[in-house]
Amino acid sequence: DARVTQTPRDKVTEMGQEVTMRCQPILGHNTVFWYRQTMMQGLELLAYFRNRAPLDDSGMPKDRFSAEMPDATLATLKIQPSEPRDSAVYFCASGLVPFTSRTNYGYTFGSGTRLTVV
Amino acid sequence: DQQVKQNSPSLSVQEGRISILNCDYTNSMFDYFLWYKKYPAEGPTFLISISSIKDKNEDGRFTVFLNKSAKHLSLHIVPSQPGDSAVYFCAAQNFQGGSEKLVFGKGTKLTVNP
Repeated sequence: DARVTQTPRDKVTEMGQEVTMRCQPILGHNTVFWYRQTMMQGLELLAYFRNRAPLDDSGMPKDRFSAEMPDATLATLKIQPSEPRDSAVYFCASGLVPFTSRTNYGYTFGSGTRLTVV
Repeated sequence: DQQVKQNSPSLSVQEGRISILNCDYTNSMFDYFLWYKKYPAEGPTFLISISSIKDKNEDGRFTVFLNKSAKHLSLHIVPSQPGDSAVYFCAAQNFQGGSEKLVFGKGTKLTVNP
């Protein structure tokens, strides 16, 4: 079963520290998303890439968040400096666009990184 | 500004009965809708979808209904099983407009009691 792999699974850090979250999308998928889940906002889109090029990062606080895809097998989300309000579960998802009748029309999500900033 | 709204944070039903989860959207450009299921400590998993050219899509025990004029969709689970207990997210997309973005609701926690 192909899966999206996210590391670390859990991260506890102190305010002001840099946090890096990693995602390995499914091989062959050309679109990668970063979502954040909070109780108040539900699932919010932070940024996404198509063929490694950033298409939209309007959901990210630009001053502290950055997202990159150094290569097709790795996407990273960095927070520097981290703040307590960044505490959330961060999900990566990948998919193959454009959709065809032979592909799954939904994106595949990883298990998430639970970030706690104290 | 929530473009996709799931107004019921939780729903509890008896095993064997029907579960109906509701979702409303405000953006008329949305033309593709998906439901995801999420268990604790796992990522959301795709469940079922519907294009705006249809008003119903069925997959086993799961049926999604779309009412475009009301900008409303619902997910029916019949019969409900304890393993269906999870958080269900509704998502919408402007597919024909070429947007890959999924806009999610806040989710509804379904509990199916044995």
